[in-house]
Amino acid sequence: NAGVTQTPKFRVLKTGQSMTLLCAQDMNHEYMYWYRQDPGMGLRLIHYSVGEGTTAKGEVPDGYNVSRLKKQNFLLGLESAAPSQTSVYFCASRRTGDNSPLHFGNGTRLTVT
Amino acid sequence: RKEVEQDPGPFNVPEGATVAFNCTYSNSASQSFFWYRQDCRKEPKLLMSVYSSGNEDGRFTAQLNRASQYISLLIRDSKLSDSATYLCVVPRGIPGGSSNTGKLIFGQGTTLQVKP
Repeated sequence: NAGVTQTPKFRVLKTGQSMTLLCAQDMNHEYMYWYRQDPGMGLRLIHYSVGEGTTAKGEVPDGYNVSRLKKQNFLLGLESAAPSQTSVYFCASRRTGDNSPLHFGNGTRLTVT
Repeated sequence: RKEVEQDPGPFNVPEGATVAFNCTYSNSASQSFFWYRQDCRKEPKLLMSVYSSGNEDGRFTAQLNRASQYISLLIRDSKLSDSATYLCVVPRGIPGGSSNTGKLIFGQGTTLQVKP
């Protein structure tokens, strides 16, 4: 089991460029999440999904889009990157049920210049 | 008021000390809670889950106080390797219904530095 895999691990973008972050999980989890973490702050929820074909907004969704076409994949898109989107992005997944913890990927470090 | 609040610290303690952190939450419908540990902005790793009144695992004890809406993490006999940021995670519940909306909110994290 690879668990939760994020690609790429690092990326540098220029302002206005677009990119897609990929998250893949092989644990058959229903729920998937994208968080961002900035220095000195906790993780803030961008978007999440409670099942294939469904997505929902989190705390800080502006400037991002997501898709969950397949159960195992959750894509995070930046259509026009801004320096304020420089951050570390974490993907996570979990089973349904209140007691199910999150399983995290290793993170993607994104810098927008 | 934030949904989930933690004292960011840092808490600086000597080896062998006992230290406790609190995490307050605003959604009374939340049912289960989690403590995660994060090192140097690596991915968070699950430390403990808290479903009922509390949970204990070795030197770590987590307690839940539903009336006052907070959870606590107690670390006994602190080790140098305990130095990290401790994150509290609260599922967003629906008042009067299932707490399982799928949405999980993190606190800001509490930084612990254990000194020799």
